[in-house]
Amino acid sequence: GQQLNQSPQSMFIQEGEDVSMNCTSSSIFNTWLWYKQEPGEGPVLLIALYKAGELTSNGRLTAQFGITRKDSFLNISASIPSDVGIYFCAGGDNNAGNMLTFGGGTRLMVKP
Amino acid sequence: NAGVMQNPRHLVRRRGQEARLRCSPMKGHSHVYWYRQLPEEGLKFMVYLQKENIIDESGMPKERFSAEFPKEGPSILRIQQVVRGDSAAYFCASSPPGQYTQYFGPGTRLTVL
Repeated sequence: GQQLNQSPQSMFIQEGEDVSMNCTSSSIFNTWLWYKQEPGEGPVLLIALYKAGELTSNGRLTAQFGITRKDSFLNISASIPSDVGIYFCAGGDNNAGNMLTFGGGTRLMVKP
Repeated sequence: NAGVMQNPRHLVRRRGQEARLRCSPMKGHSHVYWYRQLPEEGLKFMVYLQKENIIDESGMPKERFSAEFPKEGPSILRIQQVVRGDSAAYFCASSPPGQYTQYFGPGTRLTVL
């Protein structure tokens, strides 16, 4: 089956720093989604990307759908303590129906 | 528009008992997905259902686990004769027809004593 490689697995940064994480795949996806999961909660959708090359922002978050359709990036600018959580990427493709393939997650820790 | 609802939020069972986890999708969403998450790990796909149909159950253990999404009422994930290894967070997600975007519920945390 398809696999998504998400990196880094974890990050420990200082408040105010910018953060960058990415997902790569050997297969093409038609949709890329980024979720954030806080302790004890379900994943919350942050950004959805539907076209190759698309760059979308949501506040301090910016995500891009790679031009090759095999990767996606999420950047967080000027991190704050409430950015702490696990960030998951997910890819969707027509061959898998409506199903998504999830990356392993990036655990972000922010030091005040 | 209410989000995806799951209940109970926490469930404690003794080994050998049955666990029933419920999921009500968002209004207008006819597709439901169940995932399992162990502590410090990612989301593991279990099953994908549409109303009255199981579309993909490739992630479901062959024994003791079953899922349904009836015409009326919530989707149910049922685990029979639970064992300690079933302890995990179980998340349900829903999506509207023809879309990849899934919206997650808050999860049910199952503890097997």
